[in-house]
Amino acid sequence: GQQVMQIPQYQHVQEGEDFTTYCNSSTTLSNIQWYKQRPGGHPVFLIQLVKSGEVKKQKRLTFQFGEAKKNSSLHITATQTTDVGTYFCAAREAGSYQLTFGKGTKLSVIP
Amino acid sequence: DSGVTQTPKHLITATGQRVTLRCSPRSGDLSVYWYQQSLDQGLQFLIQYYNGEERAKGNILERFSAQQFPDLHSELNLSSLELGDSALYFCASSPVGGGQAEAFFGQGTRLTVV
Repeated sequence: GQQVMQIPQYQHVQEGEDFTTYCNSSTTLSNIQWYKQRPGGHPVFLIQLVKSGEVKKQKRLTFQFGEAKKNSSLHITATQTTDVGTYFCAAREAGSYQLTFGKGTKLSVIP
Repeated sequence: DSGVTQTPKHLITATGQRVTLRCSPRSGDLSVYWYQQSLDQGLQFLIQYYNGEERAKGNILERFSAQQFPDLHSELNLSSLELGDSALYFCASSPVGGGQAEAFFGQGTRLTVV
C-alpha cells in the first residue's frame, strides 16, 4: 500500500527559532494535505496542495509541494508556544481514493 | 467544533468483547473515513465510505468492520478485542470522496481494552 514518510519524528526548538517538517512518497501524488493536532485534540486541516511546485503561505507557515509531486514540506518561521503540536501530512496517490497520513512530527517549543 | 460527532467519547471493555463506535458526519458530507491512532503513533487509515459504499480499505483487521447507513452516519464494529486494539479511533468526514478535499475530524473515541 501507499507509504508516506515524514521526518523528523520529534523536534524541540527554542521559541523564535524556525521549524521544518518533510514528507516524502515513493509514488506520484495527486494532492497533499497538512494537518495539526494539538495535545489531546483531533487533527485540524491546515492546507491542501495540488499543483507541482506549489507554494502556499499562511502567516508564518509556508507549505511547498515538490516539482515531481512526491514530496512536501511545512516551514514555520519564528515559532511560538502556540505552534506546539503534531503536524501531519496526508497524501493521496494518483488514481487512489485513500488519504494516507504520515506518522507526524511532534513539535515542542521551549519558551 | 468540526461538526463531526463521535460517540462514545470513552469506552472501556474486556478482551474478547465486541464494541460499536458511531460517527455522524457534518451535514452534507458524503464521505466518512475511519482512522486508528495508537499512543505516539500516526493515523492509520482503516476504511472509507462514500454515500453508503466502501471506497477504500486500509490495514483494517478482519475482526473490524464498518458500514455507512442511508442517513450517512457510520459505525465501526470491533470484535474479539485484544489489548493491542486500545487506541484512539477517529472518524472524519468530507464533502467529496477520495481525499480530494479537507477532512473534518471528530473528537475521537478512546477505546481501552483491559
